[in-house]
Amino acid sequence: AQKVTQAQTEISVVEKEDVTLDCVYETRDTTYYLFWYKQPPSGELVFLIRRNSFDEQNEISGRYSWNFQKSTSSFNFTITASQVVDSAVYFCALHPYNQGGKLIFGQGTELSVKP
Amino acid sequence: NAGVTQTPKFQVLKTGQSMTLQCAQDMNHEYMSWYRQDPGMGLRLIHYSVGAGITDQGEVPNGYNVSRSTTEDFPLRLLSAAPSQTSVYFCASSAGGNSPLHFGNGTRLTVT
Repeated sequence: AQKVTQAQTEISVVEKEDVTLDCVYETRDTTYYLFWYKQPPSGELVFLIRRNSFDEQNEISGRYSWNFQKSTSSFNFTITASQVVDSAVYFCALHPYNQGGKLIFGQGTELSVKP
Repeated sequence: NAGVTQTPKFQVLKTGQSMTLQCAQDMNHEYMSWYRQDPGMGLRLIHYSVGAGITDQGEVPNGYNVSRSTTEDFPLRLLSAAPSQTSVYFCASSAGGNSPLHFGNGTRLTVT
């Protein structure tokens, strides 16, 4: 079975703190993709990053960074120096190889950044 | 560039009523899909399409129908609404392969 687990339902931090959102996935496929999406209070879903299963390099984009560890089936997301605008629900998702249009989502982590 | 457009944004139905949620994309994407979002459950796939004339079921297809007569449009039909279908519905499209999904802004549906 393919599954994504985001064990942290809600996280609350104070502005400028670093925060890590955990994502653990299950799949028997050797080739797959992992995604992170952000859903701000306005409700739209915003694509953040895509990572394929053969690329375990960490990625940094400004204050955002992602740590992909195939050995532990994890794809964690860290926000450095969090800001109030980072408050949102964040979803991790698994994309089976070449199954366009099909994403398996985790339950989401609601991040609240307080001033 | 409008991207993925969903209508309506809000809808209230009574049990047993039918309706169609509209979804259109202007990116010439082959792949389109419908998800529902419920608290604590993330997004779950209802139906998807890999091209005009081709549709398939996702994780939670019961109570929903789809068709794909054109590349641009992918409507979702509720034949007889039930309170369990109260949810936020998202339509998405992608260029296929392993491209990111582009989502519409969602339709909030309440069935009383």
